[in-house]
Order: sequence, then structure tokens, then C-alpha cells
Amino acid sequence: GIQVEQSPPDLILQEGANSTLRCNFSDSVNNLQWFHQNPWGQLINLFYIPSGTKQNGRLSATTVATERYSLLYISSSQTTDSGVYFCAVDGGSTLGRLYFGRGTQLTVWP
Amino acid sequence: TAGITQAPTSQILAAGRSMTLRCTQDMRHNAMYWYRQDLGLGLRLIHYSNTAGTTGKGEVPDGYSVSRANTDDFPLTLASAVPSQTSVYFCASSDATSGDYNEQFFGPGTRLTVL
Repeated sequence: GIQVEQSPPDLILQEGANSTLRCNFSDSVNNLQWFHQNPWGQLINLFYIPSGTKQNGRLSATTVATERYSLLYISSSQTTDSGVYFCAVDGGSTLGRLYFGRGTQLTVWP
Repeated sequence: TAGITQAPTSQILAAGRSMTLRCTQDMRHNAMYWYRQDLGLGLRLIHYSNTAGTTGKGEVPDGYSVSRANTDDFPLTLASAVPSQTSVYFCASSDATSGDYNEQFFGPGTRLTVL
């Protein structure tokens, strides 16, 4: 199956700082999603972004499918941004299944 | 709308016992999935269903079975639980009618502990 690598594994920020999370994948994909898992364990959809750039408030994402990577940008971070950010890609033989990276643990201090 | 609901929220189960985790979606999505999440490993696919009446095996199917009698429900059964099945289980769904397997949405999860 497709390999998904996320970096950094851990990130600690002061409130107000900006950050960039990276997702590399090993093969062509049809779909790519970014999720935020909050401290209560809920998986929240951030972006569905197989290619191009999208923005939603303080968050934005860019996927360069030809170079097999995606970036998630968080600007002016807030304590509520804390949690684990997962990248997941589609494209394997089982249509629709998502291959998840191991996530980036983000901690934002006030 | 409720989206995807899962029950129970959490459960402690004795090894060797059977259990069914329930998942219901109200979005009329034709594709549904079960994942398990273990510390440090992200989420891994257990079973999937592309449409009512069909199911398939994912990455870690051993010890689990599923059925898809209708569009809305996708129960996951552990026939004889073992401690290694201690995990958080997530159900997900997507709308695959266009031919592209689109954005997946996840339920709140079931935390299962097998002792």
C-alpha cells in the first residue's frame, strides 16, 4: 500500500505563531484529506484536497500531486488548535480506503 | 443532521466474549468503512463496503466481520474478543456515486477495552 509520512511528529508553539505541517506520499493518489483529531478524540475534516490550494479561515492547504506532497498551514495558532493532525490519501486497490500517516501532535501554549 | 453515529461510546469486554459495534449514517452514502486507531499507528482499515449487500477486507480484517444489509447501517462484530483488539474504532462513510470516492466523514468512535 501507499506509504504516508508526516512531519514533524511533534510541534510545540506559542499562541499566535504560524506553522507548516508536511505530508509526503509514495504513489499517485486520487484523494487527499487533512483531519484534526481534537483532545476528545473526534476526527474533524479540515480539507479534501487531492490537488491545488484551499483556505478556510486561519488554515490553508496545498497539494502538489505531481511531487507527492501536501502542506497544511496554520496561522496565528490558538490553544484550540492543539491535537493531532492527520494526512490521509486514497489511491490503493481498495477504492475509497484511506491510508493514514502517523500524525503531527500539535501543542499550542497560551 | 446527525451524520454518523456509533454505539456504544465505550465498552469493557472480557476476552472470549463477542460484541457488535454499531454504526449508522443518515447521509445516504453508499460507501462505509471501519478503521481502528492504535497509539502511534494512525488509523488502519478493517473492512469496507462499497454498496449495500457487498463487503470487503481491509488491512487488518482478522477477528472481525461485517455486514451491510442496508445503506444506513454497517455493524462490526468481534466473534471472540482478544486483548489485541483493544483499540478505538471509527466508522466512516463517503459518497461514491460519482465514480470518485469522495471525502470521507468519520463517526465519534467507540473505545473498546478487552481484558
